[in-house]
Amino acid sequence: GENVEQHPSTLSVQEGDSAVIKCTYSDSASNYFPWYKQELGKRPQLIIDIRSNVGEKKDQRIAVTLNKTAKHFSLHITETQPEDSAVYFCAASMTGTASKLTFGTGTRLQVTL
Amino acid sequence: GAVVSQHPSRVICKSGTSVKIECRSLDFQATTMFWYRQFPKKSLMLMATSNEGSKATYEQGVEKDKFLINHASLTLSTLTVTSAHPEDSSFYICSASPRTSGSPDTQYFGPGTRLTVL
Repeated sequence: GENVEQHPSTLSVQEGDSAVIKCTYSDSASNYFPWYKQELGKRPQLIIDIRSNVGEKKDQRIAVTLNKTAKHFSLHITETQPEDSAVYFCAASMTGTASKLTFGTGTRLQVTL
Repeated sequence: GAVVSQHPSRVICKSGTSVKIECRSLDFQATTMFWYRQFPKKSLMLMATSNEGSKATYEQGVEKDKFLINHASLTLSTLTVTSAHPEDSSFYICSASPRTSGSPDTQYFGPGTRLTVL
C-alpha cells in the first residue's frame, strides 16, 4: 500500500518568513495530493490540493509543488502569520470516486512574533 | 458548502458499554464516508471505509465486530464502538466525499468525537 513520509515534524518560523513542508510517497499510481491544516482539537481543514497533471498550484500565500518523477510534493507558505500556527498533514491517494487517503505524520508549525 | 457534522462531540462512558457516533453530510450526498482515529499529537489513522448500502471495508488490524459501521443513507454513517474499554479512548473523526463528479476525491472532515472510556 501507499506510504507517505513527511518532514519536518516540527517547524518554527518568525512571522513574515516562509515555511516549507515536504512529503514523499511510495505508490507511483497516486495522483491526488491534498494538504490539511488542523488546529488543536479541531477538524482537519483542506487548504490546497494538487493533481498529478499539474506541477504547481498557488492560492494566495499557499502553494504546492509536485514532482511525480521523484515522488515528492511540498507545501509552501509565504509571509507567515501567527494564525498559520497549526499541524499540517499531507496526504496521497489515487483519484477516483472516494479513494482513501494515506496521511503523512504531520508537521507542527509555530509562527512566532 | 461541503459541511460534515458529527455527534456527539464528546462522550464519556463506562467500560463495557457501547457508544454510537453519527456522521452527517449536511449539504451534499456522500456515497462514501471514512472513519479515522487520531491519538494525541499523531496522524489520522484510517479505520474503515463506509459505503452507502453495502458493508464497510475495514483496514488491517481494525476489528469489524468491535467497530460497527452502518451507512444507511447518502448523508449518514454511524460508528458504534462496542464493549468499549479504556484503550478505545481516542478522537474519532469522519470524513465524506461529495457524490458529484466534480470533486470525487476531496474529503471533508467532521469536527470529531472525543471518546473517553472510564
